[in-house]
Amino acid sequence: GQQVMQIPQYQHVQEGEDFTTYCNSSTTLSNIQWYKQRPGGHPVFLIQLVKSGEVKKQKRLTFQFGEAKKNSSLHITATQTTDVGTYFCNSGGYQKVTFGTGTKLQVIP
Amino acid sequence: DTEVTQTPKHLVMGMTNKKSLKCEQHMGHRAMYWYKQKAKKPPELMFVYSYEKLSINESVPSRFSPECPNSSLLNLHLHALQPEDSALYLCASSQDQGWTDTQYFGPGTRLTVL
Repeated sequence: GQQVMQIPQYQHVQEGEDFTTYCNSSTTLSNIQWYKQRPGGHPVFLIQLVKSGEVKKQKRLTFQFGEAKKNSSLHITATQTTDVGTYFCNSGGYQKVTFGTGTKLQVIP
Repeated sequence: DTEVTQTPKHLVMGMTNKKSLKCEQHMGHRAMYWYKQKAKKPPELMFVYSYEKLSINESVPSRFSPECPNSSLLNLHLHALQPEDSALYLCASSQDQGWTDTQYFGPGTRLTVL
C-alpha cells in the first residue's frame, strides 16, 4: 500500500522563524490534503492539492505539490504561537485515505 | 453547519464491558469514517461507510463492530476490548468517498480500557 512519510518528525522554532514540513511518497499520489491537529484536538482540513506542480497560499502558509506528484511541502512564514500543533499530509487513493506520519511543531515565544 | 459531533467525549471501560461510541453529522455527507489514533501517531483508518453500506474494513478485530443506522449516524460498538485498544477514536465524514473529498473530523472519544 501507499507509504507516506513526513519529515521532520518534530520541529522547535523561535516565534518569527520559518517552518517547513515535507511529505514524501514511494508511489505517485492522486492528490494531497493537509490537516492540522492542535494539542488535544482533532484534525482540521487546511488545503488540497491535485495538479502536478501546484502551489497554493493561505496567508502565511504555502503549500506545494511536486512535479512528479510524489512529494509535497507546507511552509509557514514567520511562525506564531497559534501555529503550534501537528501537521499531517493525507493522500486519498481510490476509496482509501492514508495519513502521513506527521510533523509536530513547537513555537517558542 | 460543518460540524461532526461525537459522544461520549471520554469513556473508561473494563475488558468485559459492552459500550458504544456515537457519531452524527448533518451536512448531507454520504461517506463516514472511523479512525483510531494512538498518542503521537497519525489517525489509522478502521472503517468506511458509503451510502450507509460498509465499504472498507481495514482488518479490524471483531471486538469492534460498526453500524450505520442512517445517513447521519455512525456507531462503533465495543465488546471485550483489550488495554491496547485505549486510544482516541475519531469519526469523520465527507461529501462522498471520492479521493478529492474533504474529510471533516469530530472531536473524538478518548477511550481507556482497564
